[in-house]
Amino acid sequence: TQLLEQSPQFLSIQEGENLTVYCNSSSVFSSLQWYRQEPGEGPVLLVTVVTGGEVKKLKRLTFQFGDARKDSSLHITAAQPGDTGLYLCAAFAGGTSYGKLTFGQGTILTVHP
Amino acid sequence: GAVVSQHPSWVICKSGTSVKIECRSLDFQATTMFWYRQFPKQSLMLMATSNEGSKATYEQGVEKDKFLINHASLTLSTLTVTSAHPEDSSFYICSATHRGRGNQPQHFGDGTRLSIL
Repeated sequence: TQLLEQSPQFLSIQEGENLTVYCNSSSVFSSLQWYRQEPGEGPVLLVTVVTGGEVKKLKRLTFQFGDARKDSSLHITAAQPGDTGLYLCAAFAGGTSYGKLTFGQGTILTVHP
Repeated sequence: GAVVSQHPSWVICKSGTSVKIECRSLDFQATTMFWYRQFPKQSLMLMATSNEGSKATYEQGVEKDKFLINHASLTLSTLTVTSAHPEDSSFYICSATHRGRGNQPQHFGDGTRLSIL
C-alpha cells in the first residue's frame, strides 16, 4: 500500500500569516492532487501536479511537486478566514488498483480573523 | 464540468433500519464509482470500488453484507447500510469516474451525513 504522510495534522493561524502543508511518501507517483473540503461537503479538486519539480499557482496558493515525484507541498500566502478547511493530498494507487485514490491524513486549517 | 449528485444529504434513523444512499453522475457516464467513509476531522477512507454491471470490490475490513453496493447503470450507484447501528453513523461520500486512457479524475458528490439513533 502506498502511503501519503501529510503534515501538520492541525494548523491554527491568524489572518495574514503564511503556511505550508507537506505531503510525503516513499513511493513515486505519476501525479499528485490537492483537495480542499469544507464541513458537510465533498472534497473539491484544487490542482493536479504531474511533472517532477513542477510549481503551480492558484491565486495565493502555490503547489510544488518534488523533483523525484515522491512529495509535494502546498503554500498559502496571507491566509484568510475563507481558507479554513480540510486540505487533502491524494495520488492514484497504481498497479492493479486502477483508478483508486490514496489520500493523506489531511490537514485541518483554521484561519482566525 | 462533471457533476455528481448524492442523495440524501442528511438522514437520521433508528437503530436497525436499512438506509439507501444514491450517487448519480448527471452529465457523464460513470463506469466506476467509489464509496468513501469519513469520520470527523479525518481523511477519506475508501470502502469499495463499484464498476457498472459487476460486483463491487470491497476494501479490507469492510463488511460486504453490511454495506451493499449496486451499480446497475452508468449513472447510478447505491450504497445500502443494512440494519444500521450507531457505530455506522458517519459521513459517506461517493465519487464517479469514467473509463479512459490512464487514471481518470474522480468527481465527488457532496456526501451524506448518516446519524443512527
